[in-house]
Amino acid sequence: DAGVIQSPRHEVTEMGQEVTLRCKPISGHNSLFWYRQTMMRGLELLIYFNNNVPIDDSGMPEDRFSAKMPNASFSTLKIQPSEPRDSAVYFCASSRIQGSAEAFFGQGTRLTVV
Amino acid sequence: DAKTTQPPSMDCAEGRAANLPCNHSTISGNEYVYWYRQIHSQGPQYIIHGLKNNETNEMASLIITEDRKSSTLILPHATLRDTAVYYCIVRVVDTDKLIFGTGTRLQVFP
Repeated sequence: DAGVIQSPRHEVTEMGQEVTLRCKPISGHNSLFWYRQTMMRGLELLIYFNNNVPIDDSGMPEDRFSAKMPNASFSTLKIQPSEPRDSAVYFCASSRIQGSAEAFFGQGTRLTVV
Repeated sequence: DAKTTQPPSMDCAEGRAANLPCNHSTISGNEYVYWYRQIHSQGPQYIIHGLKNNETNEMASLIITEDRKSSTLILPHATLRDTAVYYCIVRVVDTDKLIFGTGTRLQVFP
């Protein structure tokens, strides 16, 4: 298995533009997580899905952020409009069953908003 | 979920055992202890987890005190590739939330 696949690996965009980050979880996994990592705040859980349904989005910083999971093999995290303070590494992770010990992380998307 | 306390950094000589402590004095009876690590620029990687018994796998051993208020992750023969940030996390069984703290930055030196 190729693991969790995120795209793009790097994204540079101008303030005010829409940004879409993509994630393909491991086949057969039914929980998916989006995290954001910065030097100041560390790793923050933004939202997680179980069986394509958002379970907890309390970590989503504000209405500019939205996440969708239209099917078991694809999820997006969208920022509109983007701001410089959104610059971070965004990680997607998946796990096989709810409560599973092991979550597998992707390589991350490094977002820079200028 | 209960909070954890870890030292911000540790050093270890290559080939020696690395013992990483974690305090979780407010842990509840239904919370497991999990360990993940993050090697520079990569996504976090699962290492091991346990409830109250000591656990061992091919990567590490986890020692949990009898009162469950603290634990130690042991890397028996540290290598340079073990240099990473190690996160100790407590999580209620059957929930999905993995909340990461600040972790311990382990530096393995030759």
